Amino acid sequence: SQTIHQWPATLVQPVGSPLSLECTVEGTSNPNLYWYRQAAGRGLQLLFYSVGIGQISSEVPQNLSASRPQDRQFILSSKKLLLSDSGFYLCAWGVQGGTEAFFGQGTRLTVV
Amino acid sequence: GNSVTQMEGPVTLSEEAFLTINCTYTATGYPSLFWYVQYPGEGLQLLLKATKADDKGSNKGFEATYRKETTSFHLEKGSVQVSDSAVYFCALFNYGGSQGNLIFGKGTKLSVKP
Repeated sequence: SQTIHQWPATLVQPVGSPLSLECTVEGTSNPNLYWYRQAAGRGLQLLFYSVGIGQISSEVPQNLSASRPQDRQFILSSKKLLLSDSGFYLCAWGVQGGTEAFFGQGTRLTVV
Repeated sequence: GNSVTQMEGPVTLSEEAFLTINCTYTATGYPSLFWYVQYPGEGLQLLLKATKADDKGSNKGFEATYRKETTSFHLEKGSVQVSDSAVYFCALFNYGGSQGNLIFGKGTKLSVKP
């Protein structure tokens, strides 16, 4: 069966520090991969999605970037965190040509 | 473009009360529609889905019917339990959309009191 792993579960980082959140999927090949951010009172915002290795689409301009170095690995990064980057980050995967997404457990990021 | 609008929360109900959470959408073509649930501190889980007009998705006592004429997909449950307390997200998937195809509403927080 397919599983998705996302880590760390919680993270507290100072302003200006770098960020790296990792997400991996097991049990499937060539998935669509997504990064979402959930900020208080603002629902779920799509940040990046990827349909294949090295293919990244960004939905909103921001202080973050994403990379897909391997088929089932999706990384969210920042060179210098801002206070406004605080939030709950969710990784998800979907089947190519499918319609639903399957989510990881999320990372609670607090920038102080 | 594609969008999802769901009722603002929070919603507070007593155990065994009837639940409705409204969701309407805007989309070209024929999207698939979903309800996801997020329990405290966790990621999202798919609750139910419907892929074409008049389909009814159901799971764990929850139901939602895909109404193309009113572009709605309201979530209902006849008798809620304390364990249903969570945030509920309505979502749509549309091929050819610009936002990675899967778009969520802002979520509705449900609290059920014993």
